[in-house]
Amino acid sequence: GAVVSQHPSRVICKSGTSVKIECRSLDFQATTMFWYRQFPKQSLMLMATSNEGSKATYEQGVEKDKFLINHASLTLSTLTVTSAHPEDSSFYICSATSGFPNSPLHFGNGTRLTVT
Amino acid sequence: AQSVTQLDSQVPVFEEAPVELRCNYSSSVSVYLFWYVQYPNQGLQLLLKYLSGSTLVKGINGFEAEFNKSQTSFHLRKPSVHISDTAEYFCAVRVSGGGADGLTFGKGTHLIIQP
Repeated sequence: GAVVSQHPSRVICKSGTSVKIECRSLDFQATTMFWYRQFPKQSLMLMATSNEGSKATYEQGVEKDKFLINHASLTLSTLTVTSAHPEDSSFYICSATSGFPNSPLHFGNGTRLTVT
Repeated sequence: AQSVTQLDSQVPVFEEAPVELRCNYSSSVSVYLFWYVQYPNQGLQLLLKYLSGSTLVKGINGFEAEFNKSQTSFHLRKPSVHISDTAEYFCAVRVSGGGADGLTFGKGTHLIIQP
């Protein structure tokens, strides 16, 4: 079945550095991708929605200059956490669809980011 | 805007017993409803969804849910649980129709199966 690959699964970085997370749809064209952030024992919070070839739409309160999202192709979206700080430590999950909700929404396995 | 309330943060159940995980939503427009399961350090897997039609929806792993519009609820049920059902369960809502709207998730319910 359709699979979304998210990489890396875990990353530890130093404060002030940037980290890039990739989200790939392996066997379908992802016209829309969503990026979520999940705090420990809490729900997923939608950060942004990206459509292929367009600028991402960010949710209120999400800093677009800090969380750079690129959706340059129908199979790849990236989230770059710029100048990371310890408070950015979290579990980031991407999801992708070719036409939600009639087409499924597939989730990646998430990326555990730890900023030291 | 939509919101989802999962009243129980944690539900302990004995193996082979039935379980119900509660979900209520709030929305001024028609919505689609979903239940997802999350295993530790993994993404989410769709259990079932309600888009339209029959209000009783059957999903994977023996789960089912019933959409109740008057009570704005979408409770998840399983008649007999297994140890492998131990996981975090999320109820989610999305406005109905097309477009690129994302899902709004509840806070999750941790289902703990006791032997």
